[in-house]
Amino acid sequence: QSALTQPPSASGSPGQSVTFSCTGTSSDIGGYNFVSWFQQYPGKAPKVIIYEVSKRPSGVPNRFSGSKSGNTASLTISGLQAEDEADYYCSSYVGTNGAIFGGGTKLTVL
Amino acid sequence: QAQLVQSGAEVKKPGASLKVSCSISGYTLDDLSIHWVRQAPGKGLEWMGGFDPESNETLYAPKFLGRVRMTEDTTSDTAYFMLTSLKFDDTAVYYCTSDWPNFVFWGQGTLVTVSS
Repeated sequence: QSALTQPPSASGSPGQSVTFSCTGTSSDIGGYNFVSWFQQYPGKAPKVIIYEVSKRPSGVPNRFSGSKSGNTASLTISGLQAEDEADYYCSSYVGTNGAIFGGGTKLTVL
Repeated sequence: QAQLVQSGAEVKKPGASLKVSCSISGYTLDDLSIHWVRQAPGKGLEWMGGFDPESNETLYAPKFLGRVRMTEDTTSDTAYFMLTSLKFDDTAVYYCTSDWPNFVFWGQGTLVTVSS
């Protein structure tokens, strides 16, 4: 099973909005509403920032939002801040085949 | 809030076996479904397997079948991950994670280096 497709890099200036895509198939993203997004700083464990497509865990700023259309999920960060510079990964439930991750997007805040 | 604490870094020779532990606090193993994810140096996250409460079975990623085993000790609320026949490209940070399938809680990671 191939990894979900994420662009390798993205960038934005402070205050701007940036949107990441995560593309899969009807067997993963398109088939279930269990898409999570993770933020990861170098040398640290991933931290979930969105789960079940659009839900935010407590403590995650509402600048982070998630959505899904067909086989593609999206993460939007609005009001970009310097501290948002990190790697971002998506994941999807794949039924009896478990789960699958995207290759990650490295966000640079200019 | 669940806390997942993993065992320490390991250095292994090719062909050896690996066992990593993940101790849970704040919840019990009966409440959580532990999964394991690894990340090779400079690479992305890779799901390896974990317990599916709907099917009551442990799911494994196909590429690891035959080499991986995941077990749980509910008396100590500790999950274990075992990988055999280690290869150089098994060098990675191994994470336990839970709240399947959302992966909300994560351990701190265990660095495993396979080196001759």
